[in-house]
Amino acid sequence: GDSVTQMEGPVTLSEEAFLTINCTYTATGYPSLFWYVQYPGEGLQLLLKATKADDKGSNKGFEATYRKETTSFHLEKGSVQVSDSAVYFCALSGWGYQKVTFGTGTKLQVIP
Amino acid sequence: ETGVTQSPTHLIKTRGQQVTLRCSSQSGHNTVSWYQQALGQGPQFIFQYYREEENGRGNFPPRFSGLQFPNYSSELNVNALELDDSALYLCASSLDDTDTQYFGPGTRLTVL
Repeated sequence: GDSVTQMEGPVTLSEEAFLTINCTYTATGYPSLFWYVQYPGEGLQLLLKATKADDKGSNKGFEATYRKETTSFHLEKGSVQVSDSAVYFCALSGWGYQKVTFGTGTKLQVIP
Repeated sequence: ETGVTQSPTHLIKTRGQQVTLRCSSQSGHNTVSWYQQALGQGPQFIFQYYREEENGRGNFPPRFSGLQFPNYSSELNVNALELDDSALYLCASSLDDTDTQYFGPGTRLTVL
């Protein structure tokens, strides 16, 4: 079945540091890929998405590129801020009724 | 455009009781999905409803059931509550079953 593997956290970075959170997936067909963010005490917010190979999703300075050859969708940001502290979930939506399969989440803490 | 809302925010029940959680989808969204998020884990797909019919189900027992209404509201019902049912329950709505899902803030259920 479909699965998502993302790097374990927590990840602690200083403000303005470069961020990479690794994500790889297993799925049949051609899934859509997502990054969701969950701030403390809140639900999930869609951060960015990509629906086909080589697509780049971007939002709020975050980027991720759909790499079919390596089945990866790594999240990057050039300069993190304290306000980026949250849990980040990589996810995929496969063919059919679009159930979303999530990774276990990576907690990011940005310190001033 | 209004977002996805859920009620109540928090709920405490005892083992063996029944609970109903409610969700109000974005206007025009014909699809609602429900997820269970245990502490420190990614959300797990419970089921999806499309135009008031169940459209897919994850690995959850029949005591988890749902309803979707024509006014874009929906319910998740859980019978015979168990301690392991303690979790954050998220609903997500989308235009149809092929579209990106947008999540509500969740209901935190505690079973004692």
